[in-house]
Amino acid sequence: GAVVSQHPSRVICKSGTSVKIECRSLDFQATTMFWYRQFPKKSLMLMATSNEGSKATYEQGVEKDKFLINHASLTLSTLTVTSAHPEDSSFYICSARREGRGYNEQFFGPGTRLTVL
Amino acid sequence: AQSVTQPDIHITVSEGASLELRCNYSYGATPYLFWYVQSPGQGLQLLLKYFSGDTLVQGIKGFEAEFKRSQSSFNLRKPSVHWSDAAEYFCAVGARNDYKLSFGAGTTVTVRA
Repeated sequence: GAVVSQHPSRVICKSGTSVKIECRSLDFQATTMFWYRQFPKKSLMLMATSNEGSKATYEQGVEKDKFLINHASLTLSTLTVTSAHPEDSSFYICSARREGRGYNEQFFGPGTRLTVL
Repeated sequence: AQSVTQPDIHITVSEGASLELRCNYSYGATPYLFWYVQSPGQGLQLLLKYFSGDTLVQGIKGFEAEFKRSQSSFNLRKPSVHWSDAAEYFCAVGARNDYKLSFGAGTTVTVRA
């Protein structure tokens, strides 16, 4: 149990276009999902907390209008990189928090490699 | 705010030798602590976690970690590494109120034959 998927796994786009990345919790419901960005040879940086039915909470320094997050259902959160530029190229990883008794662990998706030409 | 330091950027170890990865954290209370492994181009897999109780935690793939409150450390160990253990390892600390995770910079483990 506790499987999180991401789609697509890899995407290449032209500069100026928008790209949508989906994050799904396959066998549990998640009112909270998280989006991370990882640069090569670097750690994961939390970008935002995605809350089902409400606005996402962005970390300091993350552009809300650049990285649009929608959490329309208890199993799906989407990250849209708007007007993508080469500097947005990165590995984007989502996680979903499984609620229950005690500490609610995060389960991670396999990541999406975005390359902006 | 919590933070994590992984002092070793890169470790090379011979197959069959022991491995220890260091992790120090900063948090105002008893933290939730995690070790994750990431293979090239992949997401994160949880190796083990510490919430409370026994300070020596056993995980998957033969890994263990010990929580030492006095040293604010949560070092990861494996008695005998396999070539498949070559990967990136991340230590993370979680806050007890908002479930956000803060990750260390990671340690790259290379296994030589």
